[in-house]
Amino acid sequence: DTEVTQTPKHLVMGMTNKKSLKCEQHMGHRAMYWYKQKAKKPPELMFVYSYEKLSINESVPSRFSPECPNSSLLNLHLHALQPEDSALYLCASSQASLGVWDEQYFGPGTRLTVT
Amino acid sequence: AQRVTQPEKLLSVFKGAPVELKCNYSYSGSPELFWYVQYSRQRLQLLLRHISRESIKGFTADLNKGETSFHLKKPFAQEEDSAMYYCALVSYNTDKLIFGTGTRLQVFP
Repeated sequence: DTEVTQTPKHLVMGMTNKKSLKCEQHMGHRAMYWYKQKAKKPPELMFVYSYEKLSINESVPSRFSPECPNSSLLNLHLHALQPEDSALYLCASSQASLGVWDEQYFGPGTRLTVT
Repeated sequence: AQRVTQPEKLLSVFKGAPVELKCNYSYSGSPELFWYVQYSRQRLQLLLRHISRESIKGFTADLNKGETSFHLKKPFAQEEDSAMYYCALVSYNTDKLIFGTGTRLQVFP
């Protein structure tokens, strides 16, 4: 399996809801990433997990809460979001080799709409 | 500051015409640069990276350190090349991938 999968494909949620985005890869990658992509803009890094530990948090508001339960799974828990959080949320994974940049493989994304 | 600049939001050409998507960067040190492509309704994927010096789908890109550029070129555009193209560099200080704003390439028949 050489793909990163993301569920759900689409999500509509109210500002008081709690929901989660899920990302999965079975390529043996040990680094996983969450990006946010607004329409016609490049992806913006949110979080990086390396060997199941959070290594980068790009000053993301606490209403976004990442979780890496194991090396294949990455979740993004959402609570009390704002309409401006509506975007495409991309997950990516890479090998996490030391001292070398590895190609990041992207998932198809979850399109989130906050109403 | 580390930055990637893609000056053109949209580039439109006819099939068979040469294509050049511009990318300039700002980085202290030796950069590692990439081109990513996002076809309609498909996931973002790596097209090429400068260290591999490969030609992928007929596209090439040469790193010009003097001009701090990494322009993407193809001699004869095809309709299937229509997509969003992002130039990116990796910041080894922070281990982050920094994307440019992207150029949409439209190839008309």
